[in-house]
Amino acid sequence: QQPVQSPQAVILREGEDAVINCSSSKALYSVHWYRQKHGEAPVFLMILLKGGEQKGHEKISASFNEKKQQSSLYLTASQLSYSGTYFCGTERNQAGTALIFGKGTTLSVSS
Amino acid sequence: DAGITQSPRHKVTETGTPVTLRCHQTENHRYMYWYRQDPGHGLRLIHYSYGVKDTDKGEVSDGYSVSRSKTEDFLLTLESATSSQTSVYFCAISASGGRQPQHFGDGTRLSIL
Repeated sequence: QQPVQSPQAVILREGEDAVINCSSSKALYSVHWYRQKHGEAPVFLMILLKGGEQKGHEKISASFNEKKQQSSLYLTASQLSYSGTYFCGTERNQAGTALIFGKGTTLSVSS
Repeated sequence: DAGITQSPRHKVTETGTPVTLRCHQTENHRYMYWYRQDPGHGLRLIHYSYGVKDTDKGEVSDGYSVSRSKTEDFLLTLESATSSQTSVYFCAISASGGRQPQHFGDGTRLSIL
């Protein structure tokens, strides 16, 4: 089942923080996060494996709570370059052969 | 950057014609995926491959077929294109499935009139 992302859209000024959530109705073994800028391909940000370890990428970090079956992406002191659509992806099946993606959260950062 | 090439990058065709999209990789990755992306739907999996001649269906496989005769090439075929298949198609590769990053090609914009 497709993970649910919230919010659908976020509007920020440079320097502000944001949190994007990704929830699933089934047990999660890993969560992926990708960012896609308008007219471009999605780009891998990070993957979180079962175990709850928080990962980081520049000023972007994420957590994974397998008990709550959710992950959160934290964008700190946002920059103009953070604008884009963020997707979370979770494993389609226990074999872990493919992902199913959420519908995305659009982040707009202005100066 | 991962070596993934999609061709063609843009295509306009008519309803009822066959269309084949190609994804070529130079990374020797085992897994290859085809997604379609439409406004409001995110990325939806069409088919994927976990090895040469090994493929499986995704969530939106109706009307599509795939083939993988070599590690580096994964073909997506629309046997008889319909207007509902107008979309942006992305190919992605991964070293080992859902627990490794996916790297995406630049996409193919397909318009079916």
